[in-house]
Amino acid sequence: AQSVAQPEDQVNVAEGNPLTVKCTYSVSGNPYLFWYVQYPNRGLQFLLKYITGDNLVKGSYGFEAEFNKSQTSFHLKKPSALVSDSALYFCAVRPPLSNTGKLIFGQGTTLQVKP
Amino acid sequence: EAGVTQFPSHSVIEKGQTVTLRCDPISGHDNLYWYRRVMGKEIKFLLHFVKESKQDESGMPNNRFLAERTGGTYSTLKVQPAELEDSGVYFCASSHRGANTGELFFGEGSRLTVL
Repeated sequence: AQSVAQPEDQVNVAEGNPLTVKCTYSVSGNPYLFWYVQYPNRGLQFLLKYITGDNLVKGSYGFEAEFNKSQTSFHLKKPSALVSDSALYFCAVRPPLSNTGKLIFGQGTTLQVKP
Repeated sequence: EAGVTQFPSHSVIEKGQTVTLRCDPISGHDNLYWYRRVMGKEIKFLLHFVKESKQDESGMPNNRFLAERTGGTYSTLKVQPAELEDSGVYFCASSHRGANTGELFFGEGSRLTVL
């Protein structure tokens, strides 16, 4: 079955330190890959996507993600975390044969950035 | 431009009662999606409208769930009768007709608690 795994329920980092939120997927072929963020009392917000090309993609708020086909991973990264980055992060994939917004999401990772 | 709006933000009902959730997509967005997150797990696809037509309702749990989008504008999701396992956060998302990359605009969600 197609699935997305975010192995960490919560990631804690100190402000100014680099952060990584992990995501692996189990989807055949070449899916589109996404990260969404949910700030408190807000809806999910698109952060970045990978479709094809350079394995390192850059998105909003200084975030980037690295696609690794051999490891079927799409980890979210940021060189220097801010307290305002504290939120719930979701990894998602769009299967290759889909041409709609029907996405498969992971269970989410809470990022806590402490001052 | 107004975003995707959902109502109510939180609903608490007794088992066996009926609840209707409403979603107003971004004006002009033909695609409308319903998703659900149950008990801190992954966000799961429920169904997809293109204008007033159901494009894909493969994620609907059972026939207690009924979604409509009369006139191709706002959408409602009715749960009748509600069961305990229906508790969760129901998200609505929308996108332009031609935007099939998977970038969706989400509402803040409607939290449903069934007692």
